[in-house]
Amino acid sequence: AQSVTQLGSHVSVSEGALVLLRCNYSSSVPPYLFWYVQYPNQGLQLLLKYTTGATLVKGINGFEAEFKKSETSFHLTKPSAHMSDAAEYFCAVSDPLGAQKLVFGQGTRLTINP
Amino acid sequence: DAGVIQSPRHEVTEMGQEVTLRCKPISGHNSLFWYRQTMMRGLELLIYFNNNVPIDDSGMPEDRFSAKMPNASFSTLKIQPSEPRDSAVYFCAIQGTYTEAFFGQGTRLTVV
Repeated sequence: AQSVTQLGSHVSVSEGALVLLRCNYSSSVPPYLFWYVQYPNQGLQLLLKYTTGATLVKGINGFEAEFKKSETSFHLTKPSAHMSDAAEYFCAVSDPLGAQKLVFGQGTRLTINP
Repeated sequence: DAGVIQSPRHEVTEMGQEVTLRCKPISGHNSLFWYRQTMMRGLELLIYFNNNVPIDDSGMPEDRFSAKMPNASFSTLKIQPSEPRDSAVYFCAIQGTYTEAFFGQGTRLTVV
């Protein structure tokens, strides 16, 4: 069975500071990995995804994530936080060979301080 | 482009009433998922369909919940009878083979 752990249910950073949201996964097969963002009263929107190939993946809004198989991690980063980045972020894993359903972490709420 | 339209966006109903949530995938999928989101439990997968066939409904909390997908362009999630603890945001999402899932805007259900 696959699972995702997001370390830190709340993260707070200052505007302009580095954003780091942590995600570790468990999977018996090479996984597909995703980061989604949810703004208030909205659905989930894909930020970026890793399937195969380059382990450093760039997404929308300046975010990127690196797949590290040895650490079973897929942490999300952004060099300089903007006020508009305040939202909830979800890491998800799927089994590309199986049912492909997404298994989500519990989410991390990102707050940006002026 | 793939997309999902959910209706209604907000629903307020009295305990004991039947509630039907609707999902209309626009295109580009072969799987459809229903999720429930609450503060306490986060995002929970209720059921998913592949090519209109229910594959896994182990997340459906009780027999009061049922879901149908009569064709590739429409799915419903029904709660009968509804209870206050069913209050949540319900999301429909679609996914193609080896692609990411696309979510609708959700239906916020309040059962009083």
